[in-house]
Amino acid sequence: SYDLTQPPSVSVAPGQTARITCAGDNFASKSVHWYQQKPGQAPVLVVYDDSDRPSGISDRFSGSNSGNTATLTISRVEAGDEADYYCQVWDIRDHLVFGIGTRVTVL
Amino acid sequence: VKLQESGPGLVKSSETLSLTCTVSGDSMSPHYWGWIRQPPGKALEWIGYVYHTGSTNYDPSLKSRVTISVDRSKRQFSLRLRSVTAADTAVYYCARMLTVESGGYYMDVWGNGTTVTVSS
Repeated sequence: SYDLTQPPSVSVAPGQTARITCAGDNFASKSVHWYQQKPGQAPVLVVYDDSDRPSGISDRFSGSNSGNTATLTISRVEAGDEADYYCQVWDIRDHLVFGIGTRVTVL
Repeated sequence: VKLQESGPGLVKSSETLSLTCTVSGDSMSPHYWGWIRQPPGKALEWIGYVYHTGSTNYDPSLKSRVTISVDRSKRQFSLRLRSVTAADTAVYYCARMLTVESGGYYMDVWGNGTTVTVSS
């Protein structure tokens, strides 16, 4: 099966920058998408197609994809950014795959 | 666009889980419509999708037990999961799926989710 590797947790102080990585094979040929999920809520798309932002998503959220690692960057972190973040790709064999999720804690 | 899941919150082991997602504010074509679940304390899991034409694609691990169908006249799509066990206990989400030029899909609109518990 196709696996995506994310760090279980990332801690960041308010106003600083959080970087969440997502690793997998042959990432250069795939588009990576990112979701934010707050406790008890449905996921929200924050970045799609590696680096595009949906309408209404703060420009503090940005994405990149190089080699075998994609990165979601949250600039000027706020308390309201505390959530789980999931990366997601489409794999021709395993179809739609999510990472295990990264818990972002704002100190 | 809004999506709303509905269906029983409790299903007995070995029976069939049935959920419906009602779409408002959008036409069902030309989109894909998917189901995703999340077991308690665990990560998101993709179940499958149905295209507005009725064609489907399922996660290989669930393919033998899953059927997703669409009713465009009612603006609804449905999930049926047969022979459920405790491992199928989860929050079930429906979502609109969009495509990217490089291939693949992502979910841009999600329902609020509905909790389904499988009892023994």
